Amino acid sequence: DAGVTQSPTHLIKTRGQQVTLRCSPISGHKSVSWYQQVLGQGPQFIFQYYEKEERGRGNFPDRFSARQFPNYSSELNVNALLLGDSALYLCASSLGGRRTDTQYFGPGTRLTVL
Amino acid sequence: GQQLNQSPQSMFIQEGEDVSMNCTSSSIFNTWLWYKQDPGEGPVLLIALYKAGELTSNGRLTAQFGITRKDSFLNISASIPSDVGIYFCAGVYTGANSKLTFGKGITLSVRP
Repeated sequence: DAGVTQSPTHLIKTRGQQVTLRCSPISGHKSVSWYQQVLGQGPQFIFQYYEKEERGRGNFPDRFSARQFPNYSSELNVNALLLGDSALYLCASSLGGRRTDTQYFGPGTRLTVL
Repeated sequence: GQQLNQSPQSMFIQEGEDVSMNCTSSSIFNTWLWYKQDPGEGPVLLIALYKAGELTSNGRLTAQFGITRKDSFLNISASIPSDVGIYFCAGVYTGANSKLTFGKGITLSVRP
């Protein structure tokens, strides 16, 4: 069975540009969460979506937005990129929308902002 | 806000040795999780703990949910080279605006 897949694997952008990252959850999973992992740190929670509804939002500016599609895949959008947005962006899927549901992580998208 | 503390940042052990990692929090959690992350990969769940005092094993790994609900430890016995990686603790408190909160991670190196 396929795990969580993310695309692209690597991305290079310049300051001020916009970026869209994509995630496909494990088949049967209805919840997707997004995390930002800066080098040397643990992942930081950005968003959780369940059944296309936003279930939680971390402490990130409005430049960050996301959505979930009817097939439960998800996109994370970041506008007006800053150098500090350079990080590994992780997507995790879980069966339901409960906080304690086990989350399975994808390999991440490495975003570099120049 | 909730913060998880993991130290030291790096640990170096000899193959075959046991190693123990601790994770402490300023807040209580209802669930404690331990993840391992290899370079270029996402974190992989090792052990999940759901009750205070719970002790759970997964092969050579053993983890415990502290009685105060503010700490957890992970023990790896008879370490092998493939144990190399970054170990993260994470916690969830199932209240309003709850989320999965990660520690900064401990990088484990195993000398053959």
